[in-house]
Amino acid sequence: GQQLNQSPQSMFIQEGEDVSMNCTSSSIFNTWLWYKQDPGEGPVLLIALYKAGELTSNGRLTAQFGITRKDSFLNISASIPSDVGIYFCAGQDGGANSKLTFGKGITLSVRP
Amino acid sequence: DAGVIQSPRHEVTEMGQEVTLRCKPISGHNSLFWYRQTMMRGLELLIYFNNNVPIDDSGMPEDRFSAKMPNASFSTLKIQPSEPRDSAVYFCASSLAAGQPQHFGDGTRLSIL
Repeated sequence: GQQLNQSPQSMFIQEGEDVSMNCTSSSIFNTWLWYKQDPGEGPVLLIALYKAGELTSNGRLTAQFGITRKDSFLNISASIPSDVGIYFCAGQDGGANSKLTFGKGITLSVRP
Repeated sequence: DAGVIQSPRHEVTEMGQEVTLRCKPISGHNSLFWYRQTMMRGLELLIYFNNNVPIDDSGMPEDRFSAKMPNASFSTLKIQPSEPRDSAVYFCASSLAAGQPQHFGDGTRLSIL
């Protein structure tokens, strides 16, 4: 079946640093999404990407849809303590197929 | 704006008991999804509905699990009988339409003793 790979499992950065997270797939997706999950809460949508090569920003977040349709990355610039959480990538076949395939997530820690 | 609302937030019960989880999707959203999250397996899709009709239930682990969506504003996920290995966080999500981004509730943390 489809799988999304996110690594490493955990990342530790200093406040103010930039961080980049990558997500790769064994198969093609037509939509890529990035979610953030805080403890005790559900995943919150950060960015949605719909076209290969698309680069989209949301504040300090920037995400790109890889041209091969098999990968995506998320950049966080000038990290702050509230960026702590688990970041999930998700792929969707698109169209009428609503199923999302999630990566296992990357736990981000930000040292003040 | 109200997001996806799930209840209860926490449930602790003994194995063999029936468990019912509830979800109210975002008003106007036509697609509803049930997920299970565990440390070992991450987020897994159990079932999803479009316009109250179940579309894909291939993720439902066993016949002990069932889901219904009697109307556009309410869905239930039932486990009967429950087992300790069902312990997990169960999320409900909704989207405006098929293929649109999904928005998650805060989940139900289920513990089966």
